[in-house]
Amino acid sequence: AQKVTQAQTEISVVEKEDVTLDCVYETRDTTYYLFWYKQPPSGELVFLIRRNSFDEQNEISGRYSWNFQKSTSSFNFTITASQVVDSAVYFCALSEPDTGRRALTFGSGTRLQVQP
Amino acid sequence: DTGVSQNPRHKITKRGQNVTFRCDPISEHNRLYWYRQTLGQGPEFLTYFQNEAQLEKSRLLSDRFSAERPKGSFSTLEIQRTEQGDSAMYLCASSLGGANEQFFGPGTRLTVL
Repeated sequence: AQKVTQAQTEISVVEKEDVTLDCVYETRDTTYYLFWYKQPPSGELVFLIRRNSFDEQNEISGRYSWNFQKSTSSFNFTITASQVVDSAVYFCALSEPDTGRRALTFGSGTRLQVQP
Repeated sequence: DTGVSQNPRHKITKRGQNVTFRCDPISEHNRLYWYRQTLGQGPEFLTYFQNEAQLEKSRLLSDRFSAERPKGSFSTLEIQRTEQGDSAMYLCASSLGGANEQFFGPGTRLTVL
């Protein structure tokens, strides 16, 4: 069965520090999609990135970068030079459309606190 | 650019009452999803629609829950005979196709007294 584990419940850093949020997933499918969402204090989930299982290229978007490693079933998210506005709960999620599992399976989230 | 909207944003009800929530997806999106999120947890899938057809229901969706998406546009989620355990944030999301990213609405926070 599909599962997403975010072992870090809460992380606190000081502004300008780099921080990595871990995500480990379990799936039996060869075709799957991985996602990261941000949930700021306002509560609305904001889409950050989607990655399919055949694309292991790392991605960088501004201060954000993602490291996808199939060998360790991990899809980690790094924020470089963190800012107070990065404070939020971050969720990793998985979907397996080939088996009809189009809904997202979410991890339990990592709460990031960035102190000024 | 109109995103996903949900109404009401907050609902307080007494145990045993029925409640109905509405979700308006992004207009060109054919898939619509309902999730439930409790404090400190990630969203949990409830059900999803492709156009007007309800294609999947989670085992979390008890007989007291029903969802519809008439004409493949907006959707409603009804909870009958609410229980205190139903208190949660109910999230709606929509996507274009099954493998694409889902865009979430602001949610409806339900409190059952």
